[in-house]
Amino acid sequence: GEDVEQSLFLSVREGDSSVINCTYTDSSSTYLYWYKQEPGAGLQLLTYIFSNMDMKQDQRLTVLLNKKDKHLSLRIADTQTGDSAIYFCAEEPGYSTLTFGKGTMLLVSP
Amino acid sequence: DTEVTQTPKHLVMGMTNKKSLKCEQHMGHRAMYWYKQKAKKPPELMFVYSYEKLSINESVPSRFSPECPNSSLLNLHLHALQPEDSALYLCASSQEPDRGHEQYFGPGTRLTVT
Repeated sequence: GEDVEQSLFLSVREGDSSVINCTYTDSSSTYLYWYKQEPGAGLQLLTYIFSNMDMKQDQRLTVLLNKKDKHLSLRIADTQTGDSAIYFCAEEPGYSTLTFGKGTMLLVSP
Repeated sequence: DTEVTQTPKHLVMGMTNKKSLKCEQHMGHRAMYWYKQKAKKPPELMFVYSYEKLSINESVPSRFSPECPNSSLLNLHLHALQPEDSALYLCASSQEPDRGHEQYFGPGTRLTVT
């Protein structure tokens, strides 16, 4: 099957904005999701966007969706060292199923 | 309470052992999931239980046997595993099994098969 694609690594300085990009495959996904995984931990749902929206803002997080290009991005404003983690985007190709991207490791340096 | 709990946190087992992983949620969610996550890889769906009935089995080998004794509990019984089954096993739940219901994940059980 086709993969959900993400860049593997992003390094930023504390206080900068981070932008994590994702290209998904299933145009019928009703929702698209961003999850965060800290080392040795499970996944934490950060935010999600309904497929008929093109932007959603939630405190420091901004999700942009370009449905024509199947491109999803997550912007984290004022990035903190506690934001260092792996970020997975996920599409929803069917009933009860999530397909995750390979994950982007975000490293925030002081 | 928005928590999914999993026990044990870590498990080391031999290839001839039988063990079980446990998952619990008290959010009234009616769908529960098992995922397998290998190092530096995304989670891969194994099983979905919908209203306590197995609804999706992603061609998982029979050495993994899921069980849903009630709406709050999900078990994964392990038997005759292989070293390549070593991974982080994640449980998740969602309010309903339909599209668009957020899945909440537990912290995982890190399994090592020797």
